[in-house]
Amino acid sequence: ETGVTQSPTHLIKTRGQQVTLRCSSQSGHNTVSWYQQALGQGPQFIFQYYREEENGRGNFPPRFSGLQFPNYSSELNVNALELDDSALYLCASSSLAGGPYEQYFGPGTRLTVT
Amino acid sequence: AQRVTQPEKLLSVFKGAPVELKCNYSYSGSPELFWYVQYSRQRLQLLLRHISRESIKGFTADLNKGETSFHLKKPFAQEEDSAMYYCALSGHGRGSTLGRLYFGRGTQLTVWP
Repeated sequence: ETGVTQSPTHLIKTRGQQVTLRCSSQSGHNTVSWYQQALGQGPQFIFQYYREEENGRGNFPPRFSGLQFPNYSSELNVNALELDDSALYLCASSSLAGGPYEQYFGPGTRLTVT
Repeated sequence: AQRVTQPEKLLSVFKGAPVELKCNYSYSGSPELFWYVQYSRQRLQLLLRHISRESIKGFTADLNKGETSFHLKKPFAQEEDSAMYYCALSGHGRGSTLGRLYFGRGTQLTVWP
């Protein structure tokens, strides 16, 4: 069984730039959720994708967008980066049919905006 | 509004001592409660969920709806329990995103030898 993978591991961007983060879900999972974890805080829900459609969104502006592909992998895109976007971005996969509440997390991508 | 509160940012105990990590929540519907754990250099992983009512690695957590609490307990802490622990909530209500988790800020547990 292949676990959730994320790339890249670390990333440094400049304010105003755009970034794309990638996530491969665990084998057999059709749902991907993205979370932002600021330093010293718990993860905050950004959005969820199910069958290539956005299936719920947290309190994040539209410059945070995503995609899910037919193989259930996913991308998180952030436009017009701000300093406060510096955080650990976590991807979690699950199976809505098999048990939506057990989320399997990836190792995260550490984004630093300067 | 949904909220998960973990009042202790840091908690230290000695090996063999009992440990309790506190979690309080607010949610208007019927929530699912979880404890997630992150060991050093490892990814976030599910420790236990309230509906399964099982003990994992000696940890238990009871959902107290009257006090809106879901405290995590272990009678005899071990050094390998040192980790960051997050309490999380997921909702069933209309408009909820199935599987969406609301996390507390976490409690860093250190168990001294």
